[in-house]
Amino acid sequence: GDSVTQMEGPVTLSEEAFLTINCTYTATGYPSLFWYVQYPGEGLQLLLKATKADDKGSNKGFEATYRKETTSFHLEKGSVQVSDSAVYFCALLAAGSYQLTFGKGTKLSVIP
Amino acid sequence: SAVISQKPSRDICQRGTSLTIQCQVDSQVTMMFWYRQQPGQSLTLIATANQGSEATYESGFVIDKFPISRPNLTFSTLTVSNMSPEDSSIYLCSGRGGFQETQYFGPGTRLLVL
Repeated sequence: GDSVTQMEGPVTLSEEAFLTINCTYTATGYPSLFWYVQYPGEGLQLLLKATKADDKGSNKGFEATYRKETTSFHLEKGSVQVSDSAVYFCALLAAGSYQLTFGKGTKLSVIP
Repeated sequence: SAVISQKPSRDICQRGTSLTIQCQVDSQVTMMFWYRQQPGQSLTLIATANQGSEATYESGFVIDKFPISRPNLTFSTLTVSNMSPEDSSIYLCSGRGGFQETQYFGPGTRLLVL
């Protein structure tokens, strides 16, 4: 079946550090890929998405590239801020499926 | 994009009682979903809310425990029935405009059962 594997957290970084959160997936066909962010005490917000191979999704300084050859969709940001502290979820929507498949989430804490 | 609101945002309930959570979307969506997120965990799909018919439940979830209504394309309710402390979770409503379109989430309802 479809699955998403994210790097284990929690991740603690200093402000202005470089962020990478790894995400790999298993799915048949060509899924759409998403990163959602959940700030403390809130629901999930869509951060970025990519719908086909080599697409790069970007938003708020975050970016991720859909790599079909490595089945990956790693999240990156060049300089994190304290306000980026949240839980990040990688997710996929398989072609022909109605159901999102989520990773377990990675908690990021950014310290001043 | 779709904006999704939920009521209540949080509640503390006694064992054995029931709570109904309301979900309102600001635009018509084809698909609506209810998820549960236990503390520190990822999301688990409870069911797909179908307009005008019975919801489609995922394995491990049953209608008697989690009755769902969806009278139109913008509104749905989830009831958590005969609650126990194990039902303490965040319940999230979600909507999608079409089959392969982006899925949006409400802010969640934080439920504590004593």
